[in-house]
Amino acid sequence: ETGVTQSPTHLIKTRGQQVTLRCSSQSGHNTVSWYQQALGQGPQFIFQYYREEENGRGNFPPRFSGLQFPNYSSELNVNALELDDSALYLCASRHMGGGPSDNEQFFGPGTRLTVL
Amino acid sequence: EDKVVQSPLSLVVHEGDTVTLNCSYEVTNFRSLLWYKQEKKAPTFLFMLTSSGIEKKSGRLSSILDKKELFSILNITATQTGDSAVYLCAVANNFNKFYFGSGTKLNVKP
Repeated sequence: ETGVTQSPTHLIKTRGQQVTLRCSSQSGHNTVSWYQQALGQGPQFIFQYYREEENGRGNFPPRFSGLQFPNYSSELNVNALELDDSALYLCASRHMGGGPSDNEQFFGPGTRLTVL
Repeated sequence: EDKVVQSPLSLVVHEGDTVTLNCSYEVTNFRSLLWYKQEKKAPTFLFMLTSSGIEKKSGRLSSILDKKELFSILNITATQTGDSAVYLCAVANNFNKFYFGSGTKLNVKP
């Protein structure tokens, strides 16, 4: 198991609601990335936070937003939920310091979001 | 458009067989290619490859990257039922974006 934790494990929401998912990064890691994984698909990159700033974003609308805190934990917020937002949301942490292991990221167990 | 394509999509083998999983990519500003194993939820890290032609090995698993032909393979020898999982390939670019393939679902039968 990695040291990356996520909460909650499962969540059920209705269309139009808002949701906040949380991620605690592995000790020593300063970068957190969020992914959406639909059933039978690979993870899709949502965005990445490095030192509390977003520094990379995939093709997701602005209603997907995030935060990173001084302890490097992170939140993913999704507003105006749609049925297609139902998926496994994964966060991954790594340490970016310009070294060869910069891209070795470690995943948390994920949050299963169901939108009804 | 940047993309990662894995093949086959699924594979059924018997214990003891050797399998080869394929990953091809078209990603500008390539930085590295990573392989993950996903059993239930969290993908677990297997290998990271940045240079062509250098094989990485871990027990029965090995992987190699060809940056000229833009592909990588993951080999698993003497497969066991515990190898059953989805194997994901991801490519990281120089701008901190990771592109994942859809995965290869491997089923190893006793």
